[in-house]
Amino acid sequence: QVQLVQSGAEVKKPGASVKVSCKASGYIFNNYGISWVRQAPGQGLEWMGWISGYSGNTKYAQSFQARVTITTDTSTRTANMELRSLRSDDTAIYYCARDGYEQKRPLDHWAQGTLVTVSS
Amino acid sequence: EIVLTQSPATLSLSPGERATLSCGASQTISSNYLAWYQQKPGQAPRLLIYGASSRATGIPDRFSGSGSETDFTLTISRLEPEDFAVYYCQQYATSPLTFGPGTKVDIK
Repeated sequence: QVQLVQSGAEVKKPGASVKVSCKASGYIFNNYGISWVRQAPGQGLEWMGWISGYSGNTKYAQSFQARVTITTDTSTRTANMELRSLRSDDTAIYYCARDGYEQKRPLDHWAQGTLVTVSS
Repeated sequence: EIVLTQSPATLSLSPGERATLSCGASQTISSNYLAWYQQKPGQAPRLLIYGASSRATGIPDRFSGSGSETDFTLTISRLEPEDFAVYYCQQYATSPLTFGPGTKVDIK
């Protein structure tokens, strides 16, 4: 069965970077993409960016463009999301979800989420 | 960017009642690339409906979606206790993907 498993919770200081990983199993990794979505405490869902498992192409939301990098390692079927220059308002749960290899697909499987806390 | 709105913000109903949730888009969503997700406290979102009206795998038939272009609806025909949650609509027709602010369905 399709499964996405993320790395564990992180606590970071303002200005630092965080890298969250998302390991996929149960499907052909190259046939799909991965989107990253975050959710601040008590708030809604915010899309951050996407990577194609097929081509490695990426798209980012404008609000994260300067600070986020999404990569994949096809040998380990893992997607990674790095967010730099962290601020307190980056405190959120970060989710990866399966997307299309050219997007245009619903996010049909989600990982459990990773809580990132930014605090001095 | 396609902006999605949802109404009402909160819907207070009793088990067994019908729930009707609305999602509006700032521009036409091509190919009806509109999805609905359910999220319960402490859990990741779960895909319910895609393509505006197709149920995802394993979703009970009390959930149905309808609509086109800029106006979409999620209907829960008879609320079960496990259906009390927050529901988000999302468009995947164009980048950036965008979500509505959510509708909370709570117990009256």
